[in-house]
Amino acid sequence: DQQVKQNSPSLSVQEGRISILNCDYTNSMFDYFLWYKKYPAEGPTFLISISSIKDKNEDGRFTVFLNKSAKHLSLHIVPSQPGDSAVYFCAASAQGGANNLFFGTGTRLTVIP
Amino acid sequence: GAVVSQHPSRVICKSGTSVKIECRSLDFQATTMFWYRQFPKQSLMLMATSNEGSKATYEQGVEKDKFLINHASLTLSTLTVTSAHPEDSSFYICSALVTSGGFYEQYFGPGTRLTVT
Repeated sequence: DQQVKQNSPSLSVQEGRISILNCDYTNSMFDYFLWYKKYPAEGPTFLISISSIKDKNEDGRFTVFLNKSAKHLSLHIVPSQPGDSAVYFCAASAQGGANNLFFGTGTRLTVIP
Repeated sequence: GAVVSQHPSRVICKSGTSVKIECRSLDFQATTMFWYRQFPKQSLMLMATSNEGSKATYEQGVEKDKFLINHASLTLSTLTVTSAHPEDSSFYICSALVTSGGFYEQYFGPGTRLTVT
């Protein structure tokens, strides 16, 4: 049972435009959400996170929005750069941090120069 | 940030043999490490939680006698795939759990590509 879902397997965006990656979850006990970036044959690297007590967290070009009522979060990257091309995983935890993570299936972002 | 290494990065073994994968925290100690498996175009699936000095906790559906985990020190956890079969071919990733400012963070290794022929 996939508790964290990323319904778009891929996304292509022009350089300089906004990239929006979406993630839905089913477990209402999740209280901490993270986005990871992954290159082929490498492990995921942490990008940004958000606690369920917030609805927005921003770090430079990256902003994560959380809509608890809809059980939905999104990652906005603006402006998008070719180096952002990677697979992005969202993950969720019910333990107040990056412990016992449930991962989505990933979205491959391609930023076109 | 914390660095986690894995060795080997890539391994090919014959069906029926065993292969060991090492996961090391290079500049910190980790009492808890996780082992994940990722099949192509799928999410990372947690296989087991490895705790230093105690038995690993396996997720449902993961055979503990097939995937042996040893966390003998605060900087090293090993995963041994015993009697490997072609269906065990996958990308295995470990991570280390770190507590920072009251929150948990996970730092991931670069992964090990296992191919069983």
